[in-house]
Amino acid sequence: GENVEQHPSTLSVQEGDSAVIKCTYSDSASNYFPWYKQELGKGPQLIIDIRSNVGEKKDQRIAVTLNKTAKHFSLHITETQPEDSAVYFCAASTNSGYALNFGKGTSLLVTP
Amino acid sequence: GAGVSQSPSNKVTEKGKDVELRCDPISGHTALYWYRQSLGQGLEFLIYFQGNSAPDKSGLPSDRFSAERTGGSVSTLTIQRTQQEDSAVYLCASSREINEQFFGPGTRLTVL
Repeated sequence: GENVEQHPSTLSVQEGDSAVIKCTYSDSASNYFPWYKQELGKGPQLIIDIRSNVGEKKDQRIAVTLNKTAKHFSLHITETQPEDSAVYFCAASTNSGYALNFGKGTSLLVTP
Repeated sequence: GAGVSQSPSNKVTEKGKDVELRCDPISGHTALYWYRQSLGQGLEFLIYFQGNSAPDKSGLPSDRFSAERTGGSVSTLTIQRTQQEDSAVYLCASSREINEQFFGPGTRLTVL
């Protein structure tokens, strides 16, 4: 089955700096890659996703890049703010699969 | 509009008791998913519903776990004879299309 690995497990940046979280996946059939943000005591919130027919997608301060050849994808957050502090999860799935296969999460701390 | 709702938000039970967890998906979403999140871990897929049928139950960890969905809407996840290792946050998600899953706030289950 699909195996998604996520790095780093913790990340601390200063407000205004950029943060990058990387994930790799094992199943070459995977073609959908969402990113979720989870704040303490809440459910995961979908923040951005990318499908395999594009290499990059951007939404304001967040962007995701995908390298299908290398089977890795990354989340980029620019101009970080304290409210970006949360746990971020990457995931991968296929069109014929229903389950999202999640990485183990990255705890991001943005210090003022 | 209203998001995915789950009840109860917290449940404390004694080992050996049965518990029922409820999920109300976003109106119009035909697909519904259950995941489990153990402390400090990623999300583990349990079961998927399309309408009232469950084409994928592959993630249910044992026969003590079951789920049903009625009227293409509300779903209940039942855990019989709970064990301490069942302690986790149980998350429900729904989607209109395959892949874009929106999560509820979860039910935190503690088995004493």
